[in-house]
Amino acid sequence: DIQLTQSPSTLSASVGDTVTITCRASQSVGSWLAWYQQKPGRAPKLLISKASNLESGVPSRFSGSGSGTEFTLTISSLQPDDFATYYCQQYNSYWCSFGQGSKLEIK
Amino acid sequence: QVQLVQSGAEVKKPGASVKVSCEASGYTLTDYYIHWVRQAPGQGLEWMGWFNPHSGGTNLVQKFQDRVALTRDTSINAAYMELHRLKYDDSAVYYCARSPTVVYYFDYWGQGTLVTVSS
Repeated sequence: DIQLTQSPSTLSASVGDTVTITCRASQSVGSWLAWYQQKPGRAPKLLISKASNLESGVPSRFSGSGSGTEFTLTISSLQPDDFATYYCQQYNSYWCSFGQGSKLEIK
Repeated sequence: QVQLVQSGAEVKKPGASVKVSCEASGYTLTDYYIHWVRQAPGQGLEWMGWFNPHSGGTNLVQKFQDRVALTRDTSINAAYMELHRLKYDDSAVYYCARSPTVVYYFDYWGQGTLVTVSS
């Protein structure tokens, strides 16, 4: 099984800041990594697929990078709507797994 | 537009079974895989497995292989997840989600179904 470890688990930031969340895989997943945003009581929302492909309708302040075992999600110029929990997900094989989540809080 | 609409919340006793439906609209069910993901209260996302509505094939995480059945009814564009022998720690929100057939990222999600296991 491929384990995904996100860091930090919690981060505090202010509107206008730039933040980065890291996702590390226990073995290479190539570029088969997605990022999701989840708000309380809501289903996750796909932000990025294949490590860096921004989904249609997702603001350009979200960006993803990385390959192999280390990936990052960067959110620039934070907006109030961005405070949520973020998950990475790998889909390298027939199996999927999620990171434990990173909660972005307002400072 | 694409939508996945799930059935309503359930309360079940330990040892019982629950069946959650996921009705697809805006696309043909058999053109995409359906995955099931659960989230215990205050916890992260747990992938349970995928279902191929075209062939009926499934791939379940080992811990669910003897307790979960994934099925579909193509006449109404719906997929189902049935979980048997419920335990207290099965209490969670269960989501269905759609993925393309060869790459398993989830572009559309159902709204979630809360399953509570309580005596």
